[in-house]
Amino acid sequence: GDSVTQMEGPVTLSEEAFLTINCTYTATGYPSLFWYVQYPGEGLQLLLKATKADDKGSNKGFEATYRKETTSFHLEKGSVQVSDSAVYFCALSDNNAGNMLTFGGGTRLMVKP
Amino acid sequence: SQTIHQWPATLVQPVGSPLSLECTVEGTSNPNLYWYRQAAGRGLQLLFYSVGIGQISSEVPQNLSASRPQDRQFILSSKKLLLSDSGFYLCAWSDPVGPYEQYFGPGTRLTVT
Repeated sequence: GDSVTQMEGPVTLSEEAFLTINCTYTATGYPSLFWYVQYPGEGLQLLLKATKADDKGSNKGFEATYRKETTSFHLEKGSVQVSDSAVYFCALSDNNAGNMLTFGGGTRLMVKP
Repeated sequence: SQTIHQWPATLVQPVGSPLSLECTVEGTSNPNLYWYRQAAGRGLQLLFYSVGIGQISSEVPQNLSASRPQDRQFILSSKKLLLSDSGFYLCAWSDPVGPYEQYFGPGTRLTVT
């Protein structure tokens, strides 16, 4: 079946540091890929997405490129802020009936001033 | 635009008591609907999903049940709560014709004492 693997956290960075959170997946066919962010005590928010190979999703300074050859969708940001502290989830949809998502385990990011 | 509501926001219930959590979606028709549970510091567990009124699929056997009495209303219930039912409950919706991402509500924090 489908699966998503994320690097385990927590990831602790200083403000303005470069961020990479690794995400790799296993799926049949051509899935769509997503990054969600969850701030403390809140629901998940869609951060960015990519629907086909070599697509780059971007939002709020975050980027991720759909790499089919390495089955990866790593999240990057050039300069993190304290306000980016949250849990980040990588997910995929194999575009099935029901729009089911397979989530990674989440990576907690802590940014220190 | 579409919005998703959940209530209550927080709930403290004794073991053995009943449960009813409600989720409603506005601004869309015939959405796919989902209930997830997130234990403290853990990832997301899909509990139920629904592709239409009265159509419920269960992903995990447990003492919880779900119902969809109206197109945009999704209810999570239990007749007798267990301590292990404590967690953060998230409702989500997606458009059945795409795109394939899910949109999450603000969540309900349930503590069973």
